[in-house]
Formats: sequence, structure tokens, C-alpha cells
Amino acid sequence: GNSVTQMEGPVTLSEEAFLTINCTYTATGYPSLFWYVQYPGEGLQLLLKATKADDKGSNKGFEATYRKETTSFHLEKGSVQVSDSAVYFCASGRDDKIIFGKGTRLHILP
Amino acid sequence: DTEVTQTPKHLVMGMTNKKSLKCEQHMGHRAMYWYKQKAKKPPELMFVYSYEKLSINESVPSRFSPECPNSSLLNLHLHALQPEDSALYLCASSRQQASSGNTIYFGEGSWLTVV
Repeated sequence: GNSVTQMEGPVTLSEEAFLTINCTYTATGYPSLFWYVQYPGEGLQLLLKATKADDKGSNKGFEATYRKETTSFHLEKGSVQVSDSAVYFCASGRDDKIIFGKGTRLHILP
Repeated sequence: DTEVTQTPKHLVMGMTNKKSLKCEQHMGHRAMYWYKQKAKKPPELMFVYSYEKLSINESVPSRFSPECPNSSLLNLHLHALQPEDSALYLCASSRQQASSGNTIYFGEGSWLTVV
């Protein structure tokens, strides 16, 4: 069946550090891939998405590239800010369902 | 700002109470969803409505009863809940039922505490 695996957290970085959160998926066919972000006490917000191989999603300085050969969709940001502290969920969408990874909690220290 | 609106934001109810969570979207989306999220866990799908008809029920206990009065509204009726049902309940919508390319947009959630 379809599944999403993302790196365990929490991840703690200093402000302006480089961020990578790994995400891999298993699926039949070619799902759409998403990153959602959840700030404390809030619902989920779509951060970025990619719908086919080699697509790059980007938003607010975050990027992720749909890699079919490695079945990955790693999230990156070149210089994180304290305001990026949140939980990040990788997700795969196909056949009427969105499957979420377990989430990665990110702490950015000033 | 989210375009999926949920009310109430917080709800405390006893185990014998009957209450409802409400969700509204005006994006013209024809698929609407209820998710349950426990602390430090990912959202878990409960129900999917497509064109106002229930299309997916993920084996949710009958004490949770969804209703879709029209294409913009989605309710979740609650009755005889248990303390372990305390969670964040997220409503979401998408242009059509989730498939390749469709994005699901979430509301900010309703925090439910069962006492």
C-alpha cells in the first residue's frame, strides 16, 4: 500500500542554518506529493507541492523536488528563521486519499 | 488565511452530551473531509464526502456522525464520546475528491475535550 516515511524529529537548528527534512514514499503509480506545515495551536497549511517527476515545489524559501528514481521529496531551506519553528508533514496523494508521514518537529534557536 | 472555516475553535463536552462541529468553505470545492489529529501525531482520515455523498468512512465509531447539508457545509455530530476522543478535528476540502494533482486545504481545526 501507499506510505510516507519522514525523518524523526525533533530537529534543532540555529537561525540561518541550512535545513533538510527527508521524505520518501511508496506508492503504486505516480502520486502527488505535498509538504504541509503546522504551527503551534493551528491547523495544517499547504507549504508546497509537486505533481509529477522532476517537478520542484517552492514557497517561502522552502523547496522540494519530486525524485521518482529515489522515491523522495526532501524539504530544503537555505537559511531558516525562528518563525519556521513548526511541525512539517510530508504527504502523498493518490486514489482519493492523502497519506501523511508522522511529522517532523523543527525548533529554530535565535 | 484559510478559506475553510471551522466552528467552534474549542469545545468541552461531557460523555453524555450531544454536540456538533461545523465546517464551511466557499471555494466551490466538491470534496470535503474530516480528519482527527491526536497530539504529536499526523492527521488520520475519518470521512470523505464527494458531491455531498459519503464516499469514504474509515471505520469510524458510530458515535461520530457526519452530515453534508450542501456543497459548502460539512458537520460532524458527536454523541456519547469517550475521553480518548479528545483531539483536534480538522475539516478540509479539495476541488474534487483527492487524486493526483488535487490539493487538500485544511481549516484551523476544532479542539475537542471530552470530560
